[in-house]
Amino acid sequence: GQSLEQPSEVTAVEGAIVQINCTYQTSGFYGLSWYQQHDGGAPTFLSYNALDGLEETGRFSSFLSRSDSYGYLLLQELQMKDSASYFCAVTQYSSASKIIFGSGTRLSIRP
Amino acid sequence: EAGVAQSPRYKIIEKRQSVAFWCNPISGHATLYWYQQILGQGPKLLIQFQNNGVVDDSQLPKDRFSAERLKGVDSTLKIQPAKLEDSAVYLCASSLGPGQGGPNTEAFFGQGTRLTVV
Repeated sequence: GQSLEQPSEVTAVEGAIVQINCTYQTSGFYGLSWYQQHDGGAPTFLSYNALDGLEETGRFSSFLSRSDSYGYLLLQELQMKDSASYFCAVTQYSSASKIIFGSGTRLSIRP
Repeated sequence: EAGVAQSPRYKIIEKRQSVAFWCNPISGHATLYWYQQILGQGPKLLIQFQNNGVVDDSQLPKDRFSAERLKGVDSTLKIQPAKLEDSAVYLCASSLGPGQGGPNTEAFFGQGTRLTVV
């Protein structure tokens, strides 16, 4: 089986930096990805890490430590539009290449 | 390029009725997923197709849910009979791989169908 853990809620101030952590347990781990979902919207892809280290894409960065089964999403220069739910997801490669999602972190941004 | 198309956007049915959802993935994407997302939770994988074959349906309640992917393109997900706990958003997604650049690393989602069972 597999499990992913992430905080259910995080609150931050506009312009600040926030980190959303994710720990996972799974067999056949291939990589960790992050998705953003606004209320009523579809999940949209943010980033993917297959190797240890930090990947930066604009204001968003994602980190992976395979030895610790841990990753995080770092959001800088927070904007009100960043208020959304953020999901970590593992790509699990066994008989099929599956993408399994965590329960999500609801990020609220205060002015 | 066109995204993943789903219909209908909303559906309200009574328990014990049947319902079907349709999905057209991004052209050329071999992998198609159906996820169920209950309010406040993450998407739960129900079934995964690669081309027109099922590669994973371990989380699909097979006594009431069925799905098919015709000719490796469009897909339909059916619930018969529906229960109150089936109220959720049903998301269809597609991926390019695996096989073309490695395992699936990015899923593209449709807008979903919000199902309410009363």
